[in-house]
Amino acid sequence: GQQLNQSPQSMFIQEGEDVSMNCTSSSIFNTWLWYKQEPGEGPVLLIALYKAGELTSNGRLTAQFGITRKDSFLNISASIPSDVGIYFCAGQGSGGSNYKLTFGKGTLLTVNP
Amino acid sequence: KAGVTQTPRYLIKTRGQQVTLSCSPISGHRSVSWYQQTPGQGLQFLFEYFSETQRNKGNFPGRFSGRQFSNSRSEMNVSTLELGDSALYLCASRPAGLADTQYFGPGTRLTVL
Repeated sequence: GQQLNQSPQSMFIQEGEDVSMNCTSSSIFNTWLWYKQEPGEGPVLLIALYKAGELTSNGRLTAQFGITRKDSFLNISASIPSDVGIYFCAGQGSGGSNYKLTFGKGTLLTVNP
Repeated sequence: KAGVTQTPRYLIKTRGQQVTLSCSPISGHRSVSWYQQTPGQGLQFLFEYFSETQRNKGNFPGRFSGRQFSNSRSEMNVSTLELGDSALYLCASRPAGLADTQYFGPGTRLTVL
């Protein structure tokens, strides 16, 4: 089945630093999504990408949909302590009835004030 | 608008028992998906319901089942619980026609002893 490789698995950074994480897939996806999950909560959607090559920003977050449709990255600029959490990438396949999301294993981000 | 709600938030069961989890989607959302989250396997898709019909199913044994009611509320059932079923079970809803924007609930933490 489809698998997503997300890296790095964890990051420990100082407040103010920029962060970058990425996902690669063995299959093509039509949509890439980035979620953040905090303890005791479900994942919260950060950014959605719909077209190959698309670059989208949401505040300090920027994400890109790779040209090959098999990869995506997320950048966080000027990190702050509340950025702490687990970041997941998720891919969605072709349309029709295939609405399920395939998730990466997550990147645990720790920000040192 | 109220978000996705899941009940109960925490549950402890013993092996061999069965359990039913409930999910109320965001008002107006007709699609409900269920995911299992564990430290080892990450987030894995269980199934999706739309208008009371199961539309997609993940690679889980038949002990995992679900249903959706006419008001879009959904339940999932796990029979003959095993230790490995201990996980966070997440429900996500999305509006009809928007295949990508899934909104997650806080999850139900199931512990099997």
